[in-house]
Amino acid sequence: SYELTQPPSVSVSPGQTARITCSGDALPKQSAYWYQQKPGQAPILVMSRDTERPSGIPDRFSGSSSGATVTLTISGVQAEDEADYYCQSSDTSGSFYVFGSGTKVTVL
Amino acid sequence: QVQLQESGPGLVKPSETLSLTCTVSGGSMRNYYWSWIRQSPGKGLEWIGYIYHSGRTHYNPSLKSRVTISVDTSKRQFSLKLSSVTAADTAVFYCARLGGDFYDSVTYDPTHFDSWGQGALVTVSS
Repeated sequence: SYELTQPPSVSVSPGQTARITCSGDALPKQSAYWYQQKPGQAPILVMSRDTERPSGIPDRFSGSSSGATVTLTISGVQAEDEADYYCQSSDTSGSFYVFGSGTKVTVL
Repeated sequence: QVQLQESGPGLVKPSETLSLTCTVSGGSMRNYYWSWIRQSPGKGLEWIGYIYHSGRTHYNPSLKSRVTISVDTSKRQFSLKLSSVTAADTAVFYCARLGGDFYDSVTYDPTHFDSWGQGALVTVSS
């Protein structure tokens, strides 16, 4: 089955930059989406189609793509950004939806 | 803005069928795909399946033999049934709307989950 690979954790000091990667064989063909999930809450979409920021998401969140890897970047990290982040995409057929294993962002 | 709310029993016995309902408010169910996603305790997210407003379904192959998703647009609801549950099925279950780019006023390519319910914890235990 298709898988997306993320690092388990990223630690960053306030004001610094956090980068979270997501790798998958189909990513050159399929767009990636990023969700932020805080404890006890449902995920919320923070990045769409690799690089598009949904309305209401702070501009310190940005996305990029290079080959089979997409990256979510949080510039000027704030304490409120501490959360789990999941990438999501689909296989090459576009009909099977998969999530990465998640990355816990810790603000030191 | 569309809102989703899961409901159903929070405790199910092993070998029985888990049943959940998602009620949609603040938007139309027509022309959209509606999905179920689960998250086991301390684990990641797993897509279960989706249903189109017309009733067409598509399931995760790993769960396909045990999953049924149905829709009742008159009640603005869609439902999940997962049969023969075990402790491994204990999870928070989310209902969500599949978003995407519309080709015209009624057709789109569902690519991501743009609205989520708050989640419902279902524990499988005797």
